[in-house]
This record gives sequence, structure tokens and C-alpha cells, in this order.
Amino acid sequence: EAQVTQNPRYLITVTGKKLTVTCSQNMNHEYMSWYRQDPGLGLRQIYYSMNVEVTDKGDVPEGYKVSRKEKRNFPLILESPSPNQTSLYFCASGASTDTQYFGPGTRLTVL
Amino acid sequence: AQKVTQAQTEISVVEKEDVTLDCVYETRDTTYYLFWYKQPPSGELVFLIRRNSFDEQNEISGRYSWNFQKSTSSFNFTITASQVVDSAVYFCALSVFTGNQFYFGTGTSLTVIP
Repeated sequence: EAQVTQNPRYLITVTGKKLTVTCSQNMNHEYMSWYRQDPGLGLRQIYYSMNVEVTDKGDVPEGYKVSRKEKRNFPLILESPSPNQTSLYFCASGASTDTQYFGPGTRLTVL
Repeated sequence: AQKVTQAQTEISVVEKEDVTLDCVYETRDTTYYLFWYKQPPSGELVFLIRRNSFDEQNEISGRYSWNFQKSTSSFNFTITASQVVDSAVYFCALSVFTGNQFYFGTGTSLTVIP
């Protein structure tokens, strides 16, 4: 089954404790992206990747890191999480920028 | 700069009514894609439609229809004979050919009352 998977689905952590949210797709897509969804703000793009070893900042990259060492994986790293990073996070992939398929979301709470 | 505006924050309709969700976009690019996604209460994002800037033909899929008008930079979504299962947040989005980013509107929350 073609899908984008994210783990964990729910995470509660404390300020400053490094965490990684994994994202994996099995559709051989070149384009992958991370978004955060906040009430009243819609989805905002954090980082995106056009291919392996190619990543770029989206609109809200501060406080986040990503890597794309393999085509299928695109982890989101929060080196020192803060409460303002409490949000719902979505990973997405697509063959290019003409379509995106989304993962199920990760709800992160930073205390 | 690119921007997507969904001015309707929340809409409530009674079941079987028709409802139109508005989407206005801004871009100077001549080649771009427009999208609609549905986010039901369960939280996942479901792709509904993609339209490229060279195709202004309206599209109908069952009870759903989309009206793309470049003259007004709008890509509106109509649900005919709404059902309770249509209750969700709907997002309009834009990507441009010369860039690699996606731009989402703030979403419209639709509640269909039985």
C-alpha cells in the first residue's frame, strides 16, 4: 500500500530535550516536506527536499533541522524544543511539486 | 510572493444544502498548481483535486465541483446536497512552477447539521 508514515504519532516532551520525528514513504517520491499546523494559521511549510542531500527552508524553519540521506526518509529534528513548537506536524511526499500525499500527523506537546 | 486566502473561517449548513468554499490566491507566476485538501475530524489530510494554471475548465466529481477563474484569481469549491460526512476543515493550496514550496490557506471549517 502506497503511504507516508510518521512516528511517533503522539509525543509529550520537555523543553530542551532533543527529539526526532521520522517520516518514511514507499512511493519512490523525490519531493518530501514537513509542515506544522496551528489553529488559525493553516499549514506552514518548515523544510522541503527535492531529492537526496538537497534540502531547503520553508516559511518557518527556525528551531528545526532535517536531513535527506535516503530517498524514502526525511526526519524532522528538534535540537532544543520549546513550548512554541507545540503543534501538529505533517510530513508529505510527491513525485514533484504538482502533488503531495500526507502522513497521518504527529501531535507534539512541549512542556 | 505567493499567498492563499480563505476568508471563510467557519461555515454551518443544514444537510442537503449546497455550500461554496472560497479560495483566492496571489502569484505572479504564470505556471502554478492549485489544490484542495480535506481534513476530517480524524485529522488526516485527504487530497481532493489539483488544477494547473493552464486548465480553467471546471471539474465535477460526484457532489463536488470546482470553479477555477484566473480573471479573479479564485478556485472555489462547491459541495452539492451536503452530507454530515462532509463536515471537515478544507484547505486550499498553491504551488508555483518556478519554486518548490507549497502555500496553504488558513482553512475553512465546515459543519453540516443533520
